Amino acid sequence: SQTIHQWPATLVQPVGSPLSLECTVEGTSNPNLYWYRQAAGRGLQLLFYSVGIGQISSEVPQNLSASRPQDRQFILSSKKLLLSDSGFYLCAQSPSLFSGRAEEQFFGPGTRLTVL
Amino acid sequence: AQTVTQSQPEMSVQEAETVTLSCTYDTSENNYYLFWYKQPPSRQMILVIRQEAYKQQNATENRFSVNFQKAAKSFSLKISDSQLGDTAMYFCAFMKQTSGSRLTFGEGTQLTVNP
Repeated sequence: SQTIHQWPATLVQPVGSPLSLECTVEGTSNPNLYWYRQAAGRGLQLLFYSVGIGQISSEVPQNLSASRPQDRQFILSSKKLLLSDSGFYLCAQSPSLFSGRAEEQFFGPGTRLTVL
Repeated sequence: AQTVTQSQPEMSVQEAETVTLSCTYDTSENNYYLFWYKQPPSRQMILVIRQEAYKQQNATENRFSVNFQKAAKSFSLKISDSQLGDTAMYFCAFMKQTSGSRLTFGEGTQLTVNP
């Protein structure tokens, strides 16, 4: 079965510092990958999704970026963090469209980011 | 664009009783999927149940069932025999069949099961 790892689990960063959050997936090939952000007590907002290596689509304008250097690795980055970047970041994966059941998404354990 | 509305920010239920969480959505699509996800205090998102819009039969997973009313664009979740471990935030989510698994979430309902 598929497993999603996210690193780190918790992060406290000063405003203006860079950011790199990592998501790795096991047990599946060519997955669709997603980055979501969840503000405190709120629903999830899709930030980026990727259907393959080097293919990134952005859902909302912001100072964050994403990259997919390997099939099962998805990275969320920022050059300069803002206070509003604080939140809970979730990585998710779903099977590729060619694998069937592409509509099911599975989530990682998340990273709690606090920007001070 | 699709929207998902959960009108109940918080709900509570006594252990062993039944509770229903509401969800409505707005879309012009005819083919789509609907989901309920559970997020316990650990914040892990767990898929509870899914429904394909083309299926008239309501989905059921053990103590969890849905009441899918396509014409009314309503998708409620019923939890029977509530257990303390059901305490969590519950999110309703929508996905177009052709969207490449891009989910739109509601704002969530915090459910507390009381002993």
